[in-house]
Amino acid sequence: EAGVAQSPRYKIIEKRQSVAFWCNPISGHATLYWYQQILGQGPKLLIQFQNNGVVDDSQLPKDRFSAERLKGVDSTLKIQPAKLEDSAVYLCASSLVWGNPKNEQFFGPGTRLTVL
Amino acid sequence: KQEVTQIPAALSVPEGENLVLNCSFTDSAIYNLQWFRQDPGKGLTSLLLIQSSQREQTSGRLNASLDKSSGRSTLYIAASQPGDSATYLCAVRSNYGQNFVFGPGTRLSVLP
Repeated sequence: EAGVAQSPRYKIIEKRQSVAFWCNPISGHATLYWYQQILGQGPKLLIQFQNNGVVDDSQLPKDRFSAERLKGVDSTLKIQPAKLEDSAVYLCASSLVWGNPKNEQFFGPGTRLTVL
Repeated sequence: KQEVTQIPAALSVPEGENLVLNCSFTDSAIYNLQWFRQDPGKGLTSLLLIQSSQREQTSGRLNASLDKSSGRSTLYIAASQPGDSATYLCAVRSNYGQNFVFGPGTRLSVLP
């Protein structure tokens, strides 16, 4: 079974530029998550999708971050414009069904973003 | 608001030792708790998931326990090996919020 795929693996941009990250979850997984992990900290949830609908985006900085999952499969996370403090690893995860306590989350390798 | 802490922040042990990693959470009304492993520069690998109705889960040399009333979970690693060196994170999903809140992790080094 293929895991969660993410691209690119690394990205270096200057502040005020735009950047986009792509995620392809495990086939059949209805729930998709985007996390931000700053060095030395645990991941922080940015947004959670159930199929193509947003379940929770309460911690997403909506003035600069946006995410979509138009067909309920792949997802894109965008930052526009980027700030220095956005330097982090952006992790995508998926799980089979949201709301089932037996569901495990499976993570992709992440995209390491450096903002100069 | 759920808060998750992990102690110690870092741990170094000789190969072969049994060890315990701790995870504490402030709100005992949890849905489930999941332990992950993260290798440097990599994503997270799921180790064990404990539902709120369970007290422990085991997988190979790993055993995770859950005590909701005290807001604690422990990850027990038996007969540690250098390959166990990684950062171990616990994540808690609360009943009301349905979001995972992660702890900061414990960085484990197992010395040959």
